[in-house]
Amino acid sequence: QVQLQESGPGLMKPSETLSLTCTVTGYSISSGYYWAWIRQPPGKGLEWIGTIYRAGSTFYNPSLKSRGVISLDTSKNQFSLTLSSVTAADAAVYYCARRSYNGYGYFDWWGQGTLITVSS
Amino acid sequence: EIVLTQSPGTLSLSPGERATLSCRASQSVSSNYIAWYQQRPGQAPRLLIYDSSNRATGIPDRFSGSGSGTDFTLTISRLEPEDFAVYYCQQYGNSPSAFGGGTNVEIK
Repeated sequence: QVQLQESGPGLMKPSETLSLTCTVTGYSISSGYYWAWIRQPPGKGLEWIGTIYRAGSTFYNPSLKSRGVISLDTSKNQFSLTLSSVTAADAAVYYCARRSYNGYGYFDWWGQGTLITVSS
Repeated sequence: EIVLTQSPGTLSLSPGERATLSCRASQSVSSNYIAWYQQRPGQAPRLLIYDSSNRATGIPDRFSGSGSGTDFTLTISRLEPEDFAVYYCQQYGNSPSAFGGGTNVEIK
């Protein structure tokens, strides 16, 4: 079965650049599907951040105002999220997920999430 | 951008009862592309329903989805103890994909 595992720094300072990695096992990301990042501020709902396809095509939520970049490393079966100029509003649990082909995609496999705190 | 409104915010029910959760979209969802997720405390969301009415792999048949256009429903026919959780709908027919605010199904 497909498994996803996020890794990240845990604690960030305002204005820093956040880097997260998702390691996928049980499926080769170069074989297909889309791969996505989703976040959830503490006690709040879910927000789609962006998606990447195996060919490298990327799609982002306009709410990020161009601060996010998603990339693939097929040699390691990983994909990554970089989010620049973080603020307290970026504090959240960040999930990576596999996205379906239907429309703009539902998410059928999720990582366990990694908590990112932003504090000076 | 489509906004999804879920109601009620909290649903207080007893095990064995029927739960009906609503998800209303601010405009028609293309191809009725609505998914439903369950999230237990401290866990990642789990896909229950996709394409409005298709159960995901391994999901019990007490979960069912219906609806079209702007109004969608998740029904849990008989609540089991493990079903008390937060439920989110998601639309993926229009860009950007978006989630509703969630319905908390709690034990009465």
